[in-house]
Amino acid sequence: KQEVTQIPAALSVPEGENLVLNCSFTDSAIYNLQWFRQDPGKGLTSLLLIQSSQREQTSGRLNASLDKSSGRSTLYIAASQPGDSATYLCAVTARDDKIIFGKGTRLHILP
Amino acid sequence: EAQVTQNPRYLITVTGKKLTVTCSQNMNHEYMSWYRQDPGLGLRQIYYSMNVEVTDKGDVPEGYKVSRKEKRNFPLILESPSPNQTSLYFCASSLYLGDAYGYTFGSGTRLTVV
Repeated sequence: KQEVTQIPAALSVPEGENLVLNCSFTDSAIYNLQWFRQDPGKGLTSLLLIQSSQREQTSGRLNASLDKSSGRSTLYIAASQPGDSATYLCAVTARDDKIIFGKGTRLHILP
Repeated sequence: EAQVTQNPRYLITVTGKKLTVTCSQNMNHEYMSWYRQDPGLGLRQIYYSMNVEVTDKGDVPEGYKVSRKEKRNFPLILESPSPNQTSLYFCASSLYLGDAYGYTFGSGTRLTVV
């Protein structure tokens, strides 16, 4: 059964720093991996999606990578800002048609 | 505007009183799915639908029902709600499973069962 793990569970960094969030999954048989952002009490906002055949995707200050063979993905945030404070979730679409989420990394950017 | 609309946003109900949470999308998406989000457990998939009249169980389907009679709507039905179904519920859709554009989520429904 596919399991998705995100480490760390929480992270605080000073404004302006670059940071990396990690996501690992146990079964490499996936269609894609998607990163989301969730603000407290709100819905999920899609950030980046990487298809299984791709290695990375970029959007603005965000870069997501995928290493399917090792079951890992990273979300790189450059020049962090207080507005980046949120919970970041990764989700894999598995080949058994299920979508499995990690429990998220709660990010706090210190002004 | 392309969106997934859930109603209601907030709902307080009593144990055993049947309820329906509606989900509608205007993007002609084939794939739709329901999740619940609980502290410490994250988001878990309840049911999903690959297309009209095709539904399947996710990881936590017990106590829930769904139907997909038309493409745009995917209601979540709780026939006899219990307090352990108190949660934040999300509906999501995508063009198809594994679509390169990914999933669009609704704003959520916060359900409290007393």
